[in-house]
Amino acid sequence: GAVVSQHPSWVICKSGTSVKIECRSLDFQATTMFWYRQFPKQSLMLMATSNEGSKATYEQGVEKDKFLINHASLTLSTLTVTSAHPEDSSFYICSARESGSYEQYFGPGTRLTVT
Amino acid sequence: KQEVTQIPAALSVPEGENLVLNCSFTDSAIYNLQWFRQDPGKGLTSLLLIQSSQREQTSGRLNASLDKSSGRSTLYIAASQPGDSATYLCAVLMDSNYQLIWGAGTKLIIKP
Repeated sequence: GAVVSQHPSWVICKSGTSVKIECRSLDFQATTMFWYRQFPKQSLMLMATSNEGSKATYEQGVEKDKFLINHASLTLSTLTVTSAHPEDSSFYICSARESGSYEQYFGPGTRLTVT
Repeated sequence: KQEVTQIPAALSVPEGENLVLNCSFTDSAIYNLQWFRQDPGKGLTSLLLIQSSQREQTSGRLNASLDKSSGRSTLYIAASQPGDSATYLCAVLMDSNYQLIWGAGTKLIIKP
């Protein structure tokens, strides 16, 4: 149980375009989802926390207009990187948490490369 | 502000050796501490979770300890194997807001 999937697993896009990453909880209802970014040889950095049906809470320094997060259902959250630039190239990992639980279950990550 | 530090950043040892990875944190107000494994270009695999009230957890050849008051945790790997090669991350779950704060990881290479 407690499986989280991400799609796509990797994506290459051209500078200036937008790309959407999906995060799904497959066998539980995720009232809260988290989006992390990981640059090479660095730690995971929390980008934003989203609760189902409400606006995401972004961490300091993360542009909410650039990284659009939608958590419209209890099993799906999406992260859209708008007007992507090469510096947005990174590994994006989502996690999901059930209501009343503190444990996060992690997706396999999405490698984004912006050329 | 919580800071999590992992030492060493990288470690290379021959197969069969026992080894210890270290994780330290500055704020002891944690709910739990977790150790994860990450293979290159892959997601995270949870290895061990230690609640703040616990001192250690064991799973197979892995043993993790927690000294909350001193802000330290160690991951002990016994009889290392080439398949143990990966980056090991520790993360603490904060008491205040249940956010995970991550260390930068230790890259482990086990030489055959």
